[in-house]
Amino acid sequence: AQKVTQAQTEISVVEKEDVTLDCVYETRDTTYYLFWYKQPPSGELVFLIRRNSFDEQNEISGRYSWNFQKSTSSFNFTITASQVVDSAVYFCALLETQGGSEKLVFGKGTKLTVNP
Amino acid sequence: DAGVIQSPRHEVTEMGQEVTLRCKPISGHNSLFWYRQTMMRGLELLIYFNNNVPIDDSGMPEDRFSAKMPNASFSTLKIQPSEPRDSAVYFCASSFRRAFFGQGTRLTVV
Repeated sequence: AQKVTQAQTEISVVEKEDVTLDCVYETRDTTYYLFWYKQPPSGELVFLIRRNSFDEQNEISGRYSWNFQKSTSSFNFTITASQVVDSAVYFCALLETQGGSEKLVFGKGTKLTVNP
Repeated sequence: DAGVIQSPRHEVTEMGQEVTLRCKPISGHNSLFWYRQTMMRGLELLIYFNNNVPIDDSGMPEDRFSAKMPNASFSTLKIQPSEPRDSAVYFCASSFRRAFFGQGTRLTVV
């Protein structure tokens, strides 16, 4: 069963539009972590945010905001007033802690294109 | 800390040759992951270690793939013999509650 689902394969917006990237996860753990990573065209994986399962507070960092809802097992990512430099593939990931070890599983990613 | 270091950054090899990818995790991290990224399959978890012990290698595609972690500061992913379909970017990540990635190794098997 897929543990992290990013239903949107590709999204294309025009600069200054707001865009939300969806992420739905599945786990039986009570303690887990959720992440978003950005992969720009240069290829590196850039950490954006980590959320633990006990902290459902939404977070805002500049134009980025994250909405974590355990009731729906979702961890959505919104970019406000998008810019061309936001064009990248965005990955949602789940870190499960199983018996003291960690397993990090990624969704398939959403490719965001911001057009000028 | 220099972060997760992978080598080589690029590797071009002929089909049938042995390929060894290397990873130096961040000191103090107790988990290490190997991923493969392709256009078709996205980021696939191949294997991960905890405290140098392989925990789950179910993502390793075939017996041609093997991974070792002889100590806390070094891991290898070996492909023997390599095939063109192994061409991909291979990422190593280390983690202690947050995963840091290396720059990746772009492998091309011709």
